[in-house]
Amino acid sequence: NAGVTQTPKFQVLKTGQSMTLQCAQDMNHEYMSWYRQDPGMGLRLIHYSVGAGITDQGEVPNGYNVSRSTTEDFPLRLLSAAPSQTSVYFCASRSPERNIQYFGAGTRLSVL
Amino acid sequence: AQSVTQLGSHVSVSEGALVLLRCNYSSSVPPYLFWYVQYPNQGLQLLLKYTSAATLVKGINGFEAEFKKSETSFHLTKPSAHMSDAAEYFCAVTAYTGGFKTIFGAGTRLFVKA
Repeated sequence: NAGVTQTPKFQVLKTGQSMTLQCAQDMNHEYMSWYRQDPGMGLRLIHYSVGAGITDQGEVPNGYNVSRSTTEDFPLRLLSAAPSQTSVYFCASRSPERNIQYFGAGTRLSVL
Repeated sequence: AQSVTQLGSHVSVSEGALVLLRCNYSSSVPPYLFWYVQYPNQGLQLLLKYTSAATLVKGINGFEAEFKKSETSFHLTKPSAHMSDAAEYFCAVTAYTGGFKTIFGAGTRLFVKA
């Protein structure tokens, strides 16, 4: 009963470094999304995908890339990390029948 | 386009007191409305959702919310707070505008005093 799995849980980067945040779900959901959570701002949508091979931008896409080669996986890439990307990142997948999002436990990222 | 406003970034209640967390929304099309709860260092969990079937929605842990279209509100209530209710609560709206997108409120942190 894994649901949505995010790795790593914590990461510290230096400015300019790149990394990939991993997200995998085992519920066969077509719709997946990435959010960032910052104090006092709730969750803001970065990118989302409605199925393998289809991605689109959310509210705050700059500095992030995504791809969706399989239904299960939806990685988020930071090509050149900036201190403004220090945040907690959540991946979610949506159940089409119930229109409910299921969230991973989050990745806490610090960019120095 | 849709938006969500949660009134009060922090709410403090005594154990056993009424919990009221306020949420107002706007949407150009009929919305789905949700309340999620986030405990420290965890992801978000669904508390309840409104999908037009009934205006009073009951969720887990004794929470409920009432959809009031005329007031564009979806306030969350619980008759008697418990220490374990201390968490951050997020109101969210999902609407289909060529695709489903969910917008979250800024969150309300609930403190429960003994």
